[in-house]
Amino acid sequence: AQTVTQSQPEMSVQEAETVTLSCTYDTSESDYYLFWYKQPPSRQMILVIRQEAYKQQNATENRFSVNFQKAAKSFSLKISDSQLGDAAMYFCAYRRIGTGTASKLTFGTGTRLQVTL
Amino acid sequence: DVKVTQSSRYLVKRTGEKVFLECVQDMDHENMFWYRQDPGLGLRLIYFSYDVKMKEKGDIPEGYSVSREKKERFSLILESASTNQTSMYLCASKGDMISYEQYFGPGTRLTVT
Repeated sequence: AQTVTQSQPEMSVQEAETVTLSCTYDTSESDYYLFWYKQPPSRQMILVIRQEAYKQQNATENRFSVNFQKAAKSFSLKISDSQLGDAAMYFCAYRRIGTGTASKLTFGTGTRLQVTL
Repeated sequence: DVKVTQSSRYLVKRTGEKVFLECVQDMDHENMFWYRQDPGLGLRLIYFSYDVKMKEKGDIPEGYSVSREKKERFSLILESASTNQTSMYLCASKGDMISYEQYFGPGTRLTVT
């Protein structure tokens, strides 16, 4: 079974600084998707960034980028120029390639990010 | 924009009550999911449905059942609510094939007393 581990329950970053959230996973599949989701306080979960395992290039979305190390099964999220609005719970998630049953996500336990002035 | 709505943001029920949590999506998505979110445990999949009237158990289905009679609606049922089912419940939907993303509803915080 696939597992996703986030070893940092809480992180803190100063506004305008850079922070990296860690995620490791375990799978026997060679192709899969990885995601980072953001859940702001009392607001809906939204997708931040995704990575296809068959792509060697790390995904980026504006201030958000990932460091995907397939051999190490590591998938960290870097947030640059942190803003107050980045304060949220961040979840790392894994999904197999395919439809139907493969559509389900396996989540990590989450990292709560605090942004300070 | 995809919209996933849940019938209640907050719900308080008594032990032994039958509880219905409703989820509706407006994007004609094939797949719908019910997760439970608890501190320190992340999100855990309860049930999912990949088509009307089709369902599959997730990782923690015990004490729950689901119903999907129409494509846009996916209901989670607690047949006899217990205090250990106090939690945040999140619904999500996803299109099929090349669609990557699951879209989440706002969540229902259920308290069972």
